Amino acid sequence: KNQVEQSPQSLIILEGKNCTLQCNYTVSPFSNLRWYKQDTGRGPVSLTIMTFSENTKSNGRYTATLDADTKQSSLHITASQLSDSASYICVPPMNRDDKIIFGKGTRLHILP
Amino acid sequence: DSGVTQTPKHLITATGQRVTLRCSPRSGDLSVYWYQQSLDQGLQFLIQYYNGEERAKGNILERFSAQQFPDLHSELNLSSLELGDSALYFCASSVDGVGNQPQHFGDGTRLSIL
Repeated sequence: KNQVEQSPQSLIILEGKNCTLQCNYTVSPFSNLRWYKQDTGRGPVSLTIMTFSENTKSNGRYTATLDADTKQSSLHITASQLSDSASYICVPPMNRDDKIIFGKGTRLHILP
Repeated sequence: DSGVTQTPKHLITATGQRVTLRCSPRSGDLSVYWYQQSLDQGLQFLIQYYNGEERAKGNILERFSAQQFPDLHSELNLSSLELGDSALYFCASSVDGVGNQPQHFGDGTRLSIL
């Protein structure tokens, strides 16, 4: 079983609309959960880092939520812009043997 | 600009060859991570160094090796290259080595094996 599952795999929405991306993980946490944005052909850029005492964290139009009990996180994007077209990657906490696992990401396409 | 510099940006070589990818971390960052991203695949963690010492190892092949030098720059060596090694190789750096701080990524080296 994959240790991190992101859904949907891809999403197409119109500019100005909101959307929510999901991340479920199975690892037992030893560090924080992170969301990254990756433009095609570029390195990922950190959006948020959430500790397990935080239920929600915002960064501009991006809001991440975390339910540590159910091991679920979401990333909500408000009033989407064309520049939001990218892959959004969830990185669950590092597991006990320190292996870093990146989700496969959700590919978001914003249409004008 | 993330502050992480990777060279070269592109590399084309043949099967069986050996290449070295270089990464200069962001100023002040002690930890360096290497990742491989094949076409339409997620990032695969290869290896992490912290202040010159190997900190964690992922799915790194025996044909691959890395090191971090005293000035904190890092090199990833890939040998006996195969067609399947064609990928984007990313380096990232962070202040800490335990995942509590963001990783800052370079723009990658695109390796093409012919």
